[in-house]
Amino acid sequence: GAGVSQSPSNKVTEKGKDVELRCDPISGHTALYWYRQSLGQGLEFLIYFQGNSAPDKSGLPSDRFSAERTGGSVSTLTIQRTQQEDSAVYLCASSLGGEGVNTEAFFGQGTRLTVV
Amino acid sequence: AQKVTQAQTEISVVEKEDVTLDCVYETRDTTYYLFWYKQPPSGELVFLIRRNSFDEQNEISGRYSWNFQKSTSSFNFTITASQVVDSAVYFCALNFNKFYFGSGTKLNVKP
Repeated sequence: GAGVSQSPSNKVTEKGKDVELRCDPISGHTALYWYRQSLGQGLEFLIYFQGNSAPDKSGLPSDRFSAERTGGSVSTLTIQRTQQEDSAVYLCASSLGGEGVNTEAFFGQGTRLTVV
Repeated sequence: AQKVTQAQTEISVVEKEDVTLDCVYETRDTTYYLFWYKQPPSGELVFLIRRNSFDEQNEISGRYSWNFQKSTSSFNFTITASQVVDSAVYFCALNFNKFYFGSGTKLNVKP
């Protein structure tokens, strides 16, 4: 597709269950980002992948959160043992990235996660 | 450390008024990039502009203009003759590897 694709668009899960959120970046983009946005709040950085480099995981709020990026393309954000405070919109973005290349990031529509 | 501050939480104007959204950033790096994004009620973040630290020229695009001043570490955004469709949350961001976003300014344009 032409843009960043995220699935599912909405997810309702029970407290304590694990969830997986998927992000399909724009083809050829080497940088991929995950952010979280709680209702009416700003964007909270979670994790950043750049090519084959080790990801920057400094924003992950706890060890219940993990992410991987397979083949330098699709990324999956996994939240284990979900808690109500995990409820938010999870945004994925991609950019051309690369050394010295700081282009704009294109965002997906987000996954709205509700933990009940 | 990198930081972006958008002190205006919410602004309300009447259509056709001009409005300026403030953005102040902090970084010790000499090479960096600044961005503005728009988040309309639909939720998707829309890229508006990118500016690198070596280019202090102001930019105008239609009703939008941006004023970048390194001396005050500011990258302000002005909408001229605002319209109801400009109602959105606007985010300023600093990019050094990852993006550092400000907390956003919600703009309400009333008819």
